[in-house]
Amino acid sequence: QSVLTQPPSVSAAPGQKVTISCSGSSSNIGNNYVSWYQQLPGTAPKLLIYDNNKRPSGIPDRFSGSKSGTSATLGITGLQTGDEADYYCGTWDSSLSAVMFGGGTKLSVL
Amino acid sequence: EVQLVESGGGLVQPGGSLRLSCAASGFTFSNYWIHWVRQAPGKGLVWVSRINRDGSTTNYADSVKGRFTISRDNAKNTVYLQVNSLRAEDTALYYCARGLSESYTYTLGYWGQGSLVTVSS
Repeated sequence: QSVLTQPPSVSAAPGQKVTISCSGSSSNIGNNYVSWYQQLPGTAPKLLIYDNNKRPSGIPDRFSGSKSGTSATLGITGLQTGDEADYYCGTWDSSLSAVMFGGGTKLSVL
Repeated sequence: EVQLVESGGGLVQPGGSLRLSCAASGFTFSNYWIHWVRQAPGKGLVWVSRINRDGSTTNYADSVKGRFTISRDNAKNTVYLQVNSLRAEDTALYYCARGLSESYTYTLGYWGQGSLVTVSS
């Protein structure tokens, strides 16, 4: 069981918006930056959001991140079929001295 | 172009050992933290270990402490993961990843394609 909790799956229609939550505690999300990773089927993960809400170059602004207290949220607008992937939140856990990932959320674009 | 290439995986019997390598290119290797992350078939990402720029600081997931050892050779631009006392639950694709930039110690900005470790008799 992951220290960071994500919903196993979310779905929405093309063009719509979806949010994915990531819940943690004061030892991880509450006091450290959150990142989000996208893993398309059969590929390595890719950094999507870092420092809670920043996008690496090349990531479209359809993807956004936010953090409040011990929870973080990934938002995706204008959904495309190519967005179908697994999404993971990640951060540092200061108590465990370890990087933590959420269990992952599978996005289906119906 | 940043490149991370893992190697050394394979089929090993329970209790056996392997040494995974991560060869880096396209950046000043000695300036970056490097991580290992694994993914069991059909499962999520699990962080395994990380090492700082000069190898003086390492961290491990509880599940691998005492069995896995991370190290680096900055002259060879390579990070290693020595995996001992392997168990069936260690079966996974092992990814090598680099910090986003020189100051990022736990944000994984670049990933390799992975090396598969299968533990089975």
